[in-house]
Amino acid sequence: GAGVSQSPSNKVTEKGKDVELRCDPISGHTALYWYRQSLGQGLEFLIYFQGNSAPDKSGLPSDRFSAERTGGSVSTLTIQRTQQEDSAVYLCASSRRGGTEIYYEQYFGPGTRLTVT
Amino acid sequence: AQTVTQSQPEMSVQEAETVTLSCTYDTSESDYYLFWYKQPPSRQMILVIRQEAYKQQNATENRFSVNFQKAAKSFSLKISDSQLGDAAMYFCAYRSAFAGANSKLTFGKGITLSVRP
Repeated sequence: GAGVSQSPSNKVTEKGKDVELRCDPISGHTALYWYRQSLGQGLEFLIYFQGNSAPDKSGLPSDRFSAERTGGSVSTLTIQRTQQEDSAVYLCASSRRGGTEIYYEQYFGPGTRLTVT
Repeated sequence: AQTVTQSQPEMSVQEAETVTLSCTYDTSESDYYLFWYKQPPSRQMILVIRQEAYKQQNATENRFSVNFQKAAKSFSLKISDSQLGDAAMYFCAYRSAFAGANSKLTFGKGITLSVRP
């Protein structure tokens, strides 16, 4: 079946502009995660969705970052007033369910490479 | 908070030889999962192997095996009979199995493995 897809694959934007990154999880997966991969910080957790709600937003680095998920499916990560330090690869992952009682594998998308000039 | 440390940024191995990638972690939890992920240049994160902390037996997947030392909080990956396709970035990751926690992954900074023909 289809895996996790992300769009765009690459995005170049000017400092100060807003950007939206999209994630399409695997059909039927209720849990969705955003991670950021940057040269200086490695791979960091940003936010976790279970259905349409986000019980853990602890990884969002500033209030310029927000994310939503509608219909329990597609998620959009929005970065407002982008800064050069936002340049990174943004990875999305989904799993059948969240929580920790039962193990479900996280499947990753190919990521969006964001470059802020 | 949990931390994952990969102290070797790069390693190289001759094709058909064996290589071991190191990882240490810190946690106060007793139940958790540990993972090794592979990230080729395509950026797609691929799960290589998983270890449940409550299992004493080391996990094995074909040419990949781990040495899990719970008391030492060490989790190394051994790749046997290295192949050119094994060249990639490898990430060690931690996930809580504590009931009520969310299932986000905490990653090390990764190690770039090159394979010499």
